[in-house]
Amino acid sequence: DGGITQSPKYLFRKEGQNVTLSCEQNLNHDAMYWYRQDPGQGLRLIYYSQIVNDFQKGDIAEGYSVSREKKESFPLTVTSAQKNPTAFYLCASRPGHLSYEQYFGPGTRLTVT
Amino acid sequence: GENVEQHPSTLSVQEGDSAVIKCTYSDSASNYFPWYKQELGKGPQLIIDIRSNVGEKKDQRIAVTLNKTAKHFSLHITETQPEDSAVYFCAAKDTGFQKLVFGTGTRLLVSP
Repeated sequence: DGGITQSPKYLFRKEGQNVTLSCEQNLNHDAMYWYRQDPGQGLRLIYYSQIVNDFQKGDIAEGYSVSREKKESFPLTVTSAQKNPTAFYLCASRPGHLSYEQYFGPGTRLTVT
Repeated sequence: GENVEQHPSTLSVQEGDSAVIKCTYSDSASNYFPWYKQELGKGPQLIIDIRSNVGEKKDQRIAVTLNKTAKHFSLHITETQPEDSAVYFCAAKDTGFQKLVFGTGTRLLVSP
C-alpha cells in the first residue's frame, strides 16, 4: 500500500522542548516538502528537499530543522526557538525532476503549551 | 516571488448548483496550477491541475480554466453534492523552483 505516512497524528509538548515529526514515503519520490497550516490560512513552506542529503529553506524556516539521510524519510524538528509552534504540519512528496505534482500526507497536529 | 490570491473565502451553494472558485497569480512565467481539496483534519488531496500550455482541463464534474493574459485560473464544480463540501486551495508553481505557492483557501458548503 503506497503512500505518505506521518506520525503521530496528534502530538503534545511543553514549551521549551524540541519535538521531531516523522514523514515517510514509499512512493520512490525524489522530492519531499514540509508545510505549516494555521487555522483559516493557506499552506506555508518550511523546508524542502529535492534529493538525498540536500535541502533548502522555505518561506518560514526559522525555528525548524530537517534532515534527508534516506530517500524515503524527511523528519522535521520543531525547536524551542520557534515562537508559535502550535499548528497543523503537512508533509508532501513529488515524483521527480519532470513532475510538478505534490502529494500530501495526512498531517500531524502539534500542540505546545 | 510568486503571489497567489484566492476568492471567495467562503461559498455556499445548494446541491446540484455549480460552484466557481477563482485565483490570480503574479508571475507571468508560472507554468503549473494545481487545485487541492482538504477535508477536515486531513491532508490536501490533488483533484485537478493544469499546465500553462493548456487553456482548460476537465475531469468528470470538475474543470479548471486558465487565462494566461489575465493571470488567473478558476475551478468549476458542476452538479455539486454534499460530499463536495471541503476547503479548496489553488496553487501556482514558483518559477525556477520546484515549490508551490498556495492561495488562502475557499470553504465550500453544499447544502442538501
